[in-house]
Amino acid sequence: DGGITQSPKYLFRKEGQNVTLSCEQNLNHDAMYWYRQDPGQGLRLIYYSQIVNDFQKGDIAEGYSVSREKKESFPLTVTSAQKNPTAFYLCASRVVGSYGYTFGSGTRLTVV
Amino acid sequence: AQKITQTQPGMFVQEKEAVTLDCTYDTSDPSYGLFWYKQPSSGEMIFLIYQGSYDQQNATEGRYSLNFQKARKSANLVISASQLGDSAMYFCAMRPAQKLVFGQGTRLTINP
Repeated sequence: DGGITQSPKYLFRKEGQNVTLSCEQNLNHDAMYWYRQDPGQGLRLIYYSQIVNDFQKGDIAEGYSVSREKKESFPLTVTSAQKNPTAFYLCASRVVGSYGYTFGSGTRLTVV
Repeated sequence: AQKITQTQPGMFVQEKEAVTLDCTYDTSDPSYGLFWYKQPSSGEMIFLIYQGSYDQQNATEGRYSLNFQKARKSANLVISASQLGDSAMYFCAMRPAQKLVFGQGTRLTINP
């Protein structure tokens, strides 16, 4: 079945460490997105990419980095520069020109 | 700037009653899309309904309908005959360009 796979589901990180969240899709979608969600809040856009080897900053890109070397993959690295990384991270994708977004099941990151 | 406002942090409704979740938006773009998503406690984002800014009729999907009032910039979600499984967070979102902008959400609780 086609969809988006985010791994791991739960992730624990020590302060000062970088960590990479995986997002893979087999939907052949062009665009991919990373969102952050804090408890009781809406989703905020971190980064997005519409084509391979190109990506743009969203509203809260500081302390994060991404790459888009393959169409199906859009990993997010949470760096030590991110002051408050504990949150729920959601990846999404869509075909450019369509309105339908597909979301992954999310990764819950906790800094310990 | 684009903004979505959901003024109801929480709502409690009796099973089988209809419920309206409020959403107002702000954008200067003439072309945009409006979305509603459901987020159960598992965290996944479930697409419910979509309304394009040029659509003349209100969107409907099964028990969900979107009350679109363009002049008032409102896009309320109506759920008819609510069910216990409707208990979740509900997010209104808007896409003026390439990215989705989300509201803060409304937590809906259906009482038996």
